[in-house]
Amino acid sequence: DAKTTQPTSMDCAEGRAANLPCNHSTISGNEYVYWYRQIHSQGPQYIIHGLKNNETNEMASLIITEDRKSSTLILPHATLRDTAVYYCIVSAINAGGTSYGKLTFGQGTILTVHP
Amino acid sequence: DADVTQTPRNRITKTGKRIMLECSQTKGHDRMYWYRQDPGLGLQLIYYSFDVKDINKGEISDGYSVSRQAQAKFSLSLESAIPNQTALYFCATSDVGGNTDTQYFGPGTRLTVL
Repeated sequence: DAKTTQPTSMDCAEGRAANLPCNHSTISGNEYVYWYRQIHSQGPQYIIHGLKNNETNEMASLIITEDRKSSTLILPHATLRDTAVYYCIVSAINAGGTSYGKLTFGQGTILTVHP
Repeated sequence: DADVTQTPRNRITKTGKRIMLECSQTKGHDRMYWYRQDPGLGLQLIYYSFDVKDINKGEISDGYSVSRQAQAKFSLSLESAIPNQTALYFCATSDVGGNTDTQYFGPGTRLTVL
């Protein structure tokens, strides 16, 4: 699976958008981009994933560049409860369209939301 | 996620003891995983199972063994615990197939080996 690079830490004011970047310049055509977060030693929580199109759900938006070498997770209105470590992960699917099921977690970005 | 439970939640043991961590899920998923997390680091995959008869080693399987007793149960054993196995241990599940690796994690077990 492709390696990802994320900033070690970021700050955001409560109520503002948090934009978390991720570089995955070696991503392959069959690899998806996933975002998880971990709040203070709890089990990681799935946020969103995408292949090449931008995605949005109730938690966040995912913007993937056209060349797929980088992406940005956007939390539109950050709250104090969004303070967490955010992990950007790329994971492949096989030729049959089935995921390999293995996620490789890096060190992630520590997002701190301030009042 | 309440659908994935881990027992015990905390455990302190001594070097050389055998320890079993248990994971149960009510999500009906075929795939289950065990990860460990050292302080300040990301999660590392220990073992994973795609169904009851399929067990695979992850990145750091040395010193660990697993048992998939049923679709809903996946246990991790430390045959002879050592201090550097002190860590947070997470179990996770995911649905088979498709283009998603959406994994659902349990609350974790904090293991301390003295």
